[in-house]
This record gives sequence, structure tokens and C-alpha cells, in this order.
Amino acid sequence: DVKVTQSSRYLVKRTGEKVFLECVQDMDHENMFWYRQDPGLGLRLIYFSYDVKMKEKGDIPEGYSVSREKKERFSLILESASTNQTSMYLCASRRLNYGYTFGSGTRLTVV
Amino acid sequence: KNQVEQSPQSLIILEGKNCTLQCNYTVSPFSNLRWYKQDTGRGPVSLTIMTFSENTKSNGRYTATLDADTKQSSLHITASQLSDSASYICVVSVNTGGFKTIFGAGTRLFVKA
Repeated sequence: DVKVTQSSRYLVKRTGEKVFLECVQDMDHENMFWYRQDPGLGLRLIYFSYDVKMKEKGDIPEGYSVSREKKERFSLILESASTNQTSMYLCASRRLNYGYTFGSGTRLTVV
Repeated sequence: KNQVEQSPQSLIILEGKNCTLQCNYTVSPFSNLRWYKQDTGRGPVSLTIMTFSENTKSNGRYTATLDADTKQSSLHITASQLSDSASYICVVSVNTGGFKTIFGAGTRLFVKA
């Protein structure tokens, strides 16, 4: 069974902390994505990567960075967490023209 | 502006009843439309995909329709079960050769016994 695995289901961090969200996929997909999901809003794209060491900004990249050192791993970094970054974060991978496979999500609370 | 709007925002039905969820989009150029099911606390899972030339596609008790002229899609759930309680998200891909996809905000379905 193919999988996208996010390292944490729930996280609570303090304002100003540096936060790492990890995502690993086992499908050998080239493309990986980070979305955030907030009530009443559709998923919003933060960053995506179409190859190792490649990254592209999505619609809401401010306050975030990413790292893709290996094909299977895509990390989202909150350089200095703020309360408005409290959200559900979803990682996904896909091949072009195919659907997304999503992880189970990480619910991050910044206090 | 590319947008995907879903209705209703939430819906409560009794187990065994049918329901229909709506998705209107203003995405151009259109590539395909997918419906995803998202259980509480989980990531979305694909139910169906429809391209421009398809107007009906089924996946078990789920049937999606697409009217590319009016830019509307619906997801019909037959004989609902308690396990159908979830959010249903309409996702439209833009045909630009890349990864541009627009997500609807979802319809939250509650199936009651």
C-alpha cells in the first residue's frame, strides 16, 4: 500500500520557535507538495518540489521554507512560528497528470 | 480568477438516504476535476477523476457528473452509510502543463443513524 507519512499528527510549539514538519513518500514520485488547510478555506499551496533540491513557491510561502535533499523526503520549516500559522498541514506527492496522495496531516498549534 | 465553489457547506442526512453535493468552477483552461473524501483527522483520498470529455463516472456508491458547458460537477452518494461522514472536496486542475490545482472549501457531510 503506497504511503505518504507525516512524522507528527499533533504538535504544539511556542511563538518564535523553529518548527520542522517532515514528510516521506514511498512511491518514487518526483513531485511533492505542502498545503495548509484552514476551516472554510480550500487547501492552500505553500511550496512544492518537482525534483531533488528543487523548490517552487506556492500561493502562501511567506514565513515558510522547505528542504528536499532526497527524493522521498520533503520538509517544511517554519523559521519563527507565529500564532497565525496554527493550522492543519498536509503533505502530498504525485506524478504529473495523476492525483495526489496525501499524508494524514499534522495539526500544528502555536501558542 | 480561478475559483472552485462547493455547496452546501454542510449537510446532515439519515443513514440509507441519498444526497448530492455540488461544485461550480471558473477554472480555465480546464484539465480535469477530482472529488476527494477527507475523513476527520486524515488526508484527502481520491474518489473520482473526470476529464473534459467525460460526464459521468462511478465508484461504488459514489457517482460524479460533469457538465463542462456550465462548469458544474456533482457528487451523488447512494444509500448513505455512517462511514460516509466526511468532508468532500472538489479539486479542479488547470491545463497549463504544470501543477496548478484549485481546491474547493469542501462540503461537510454528517450521516446520522
